Amino acid sequence: GESVGLHLPTLSVQEGDNSIINCAYSNSASDYFIWYKQESGKGPQFIIDIRSNMDKRQGQRVTVLLNKTVKHLSLQIAATQPGDSAVYFCAENHDYGGSQGNLIFGKGTKLSVKP
Amino acid sequence: SQTIHQWPATLVQPVGSPLSLECTVEGTSNPNLYWYRQAAGRGLQLLFYSVGIGQISSEVPQNLSASRPQDRQFILSSKKLLLSDSGFYLCASSSGQGYEKLFFGSGTQLSVL
Repeated sequence: GESVGLHLPTLSVQEGDNSIINCAYSNSASDYFIWYKQESGKGPQFIIDIRSNMDKRQGQRVTVLLNKTVKHLSLQIAATQPGDSAVYFCAENHDYGGSQGNLIFGKGTKLSVKP
Repeated sequence: SQTIHQWPATLVQPVGSPLSLECTVEGTSNPNLYWYRQAAGRGLQLLFYSVGIGQISSEVPQNLSASRPQDRQFILSSKKLLLSDSGFYLCASSSGQGYEKLFFGSGTQLSVL
């Protein structure tokens, strides 16, 4: 359902360390997943996506892992930098090529990077 | 990629006043358009979405309404604002074709006093 009503969990990491942000999704029929990054006072920015026919996808310093068995999604950030400090949202798509494309967002995790 | 223009960036309005937030999209035709609200430190709540001109779907009952007078224009309105309407409002767009990656605007911070 909609990600409202709860305060955000926080992950604090040291600069240079790797970060892992986790997300549990609800619908086993979801076939497309996205991670967004939202800096304070700004709109969410697309980071990386993955389809359900894949288990892993890598981008620049980021890796998304998908475990369909337990309906779990994770975002790994390598060598975390202060600029990575933001709130990270996962989103799942329930529609199979439909015109709505209604994404369901997770609750979000706030990543704080300590210098 | 798509570019979402959203204004104003911040808005302070008294209770009972009207509201009009505008969003326009560049870089795509016949997009799906969305209005989200985000309370401070919280997640995204979908308010409205539109798959075409004049077609609006409301996700939650509320004091707000949306309109889509043109293909790439989406407007969020209220006749009389409530204190509970305060929040960060985000307009988003997607291609409406298959796997849906949303592009977001920069948001409007609305404070109702």
